[in-house]
Amino acid sequence: DIQMTQSPSSQSASVGDRVTITCQASQDITNYLNWYQQKPGKAPKLLIYDASNLETGVPSRFSGSGSGTNFTFTISSLQPEDVATYYCQQCNSLPLTFGPGTKVHLK
Amino acid sequence: VHLVQSGAEVKKPGESLKLSCQGSGYSFNTYWIAWVRQMPGKGLEWMGIIYPFDSDAKYSPSFQGQVTISVDRSIRTAYLQWSSLKASDSAMYYCARLAAAGSLVSSFQHWGQGTLVTVSS
Repeated sequence: DIQMTQSPSSQSASVGDRVTITCQASQDITNYLNWYQQKPGKAPKLLIYDASNLETGVPSRFSGSGSGTNFTFTISSLQPEDVATYYCQQCNSLPLTFGPGTKVHLK
Repeated sequence: VHLVQSGAEVKKPGESLKLSCQGSGYSFNTYWIAWVRQMPGKGLEWMGIIYPFDSDAKYSPSFQGQVTISVDRSIRTAYLQWSSLKASDSAMYYCARLAAAGSLVSSFQHWGQGTLVTVSS
């Protein structure tokens, strides 16, 4: 199984700050890496697919990069509505696996 | 695209349960549908996935033998079922449709609203 790790597990930032989350896969997953946002009490929402592609309708302040085993997710200017938990997920091979999540909250 | 899940359930240990996820607004048969568990205060866990066209189902090793995933193409509905629930099955369960038709190498693009299952004596 491919293990996914994320860091940090929690991040506190101010409105307008740049927020960066990293995700590491235990083996090469090329670019088969997706990012999701989950707000409390809501279903997850796809933000980035195939490492760097912005899902339709998602604000451009969200971006992703990376390939192989190391990936980065960035919010260029944090907004109050971005308070959520963010998960990476690999779809390179079964079993599909998620990272443990990064909780982003406001200072 | 919409995925509508069945309502919250309260069950006793040992009881059986079948959750549903009805898809609409797309070609139901040609997109994989997955089930994802989220235990209280915890992260997302992929349980398994099914291809409605031929009912090909694949399971996470963590859930193999514990649950059954099935589909009824006539009513565009996928199911997740247990034959004997445990208290540790208490969680939110989501169905999710993959983005690319016919492909497992794809993101979870569309999600149901979730079904909360509580198992308690």
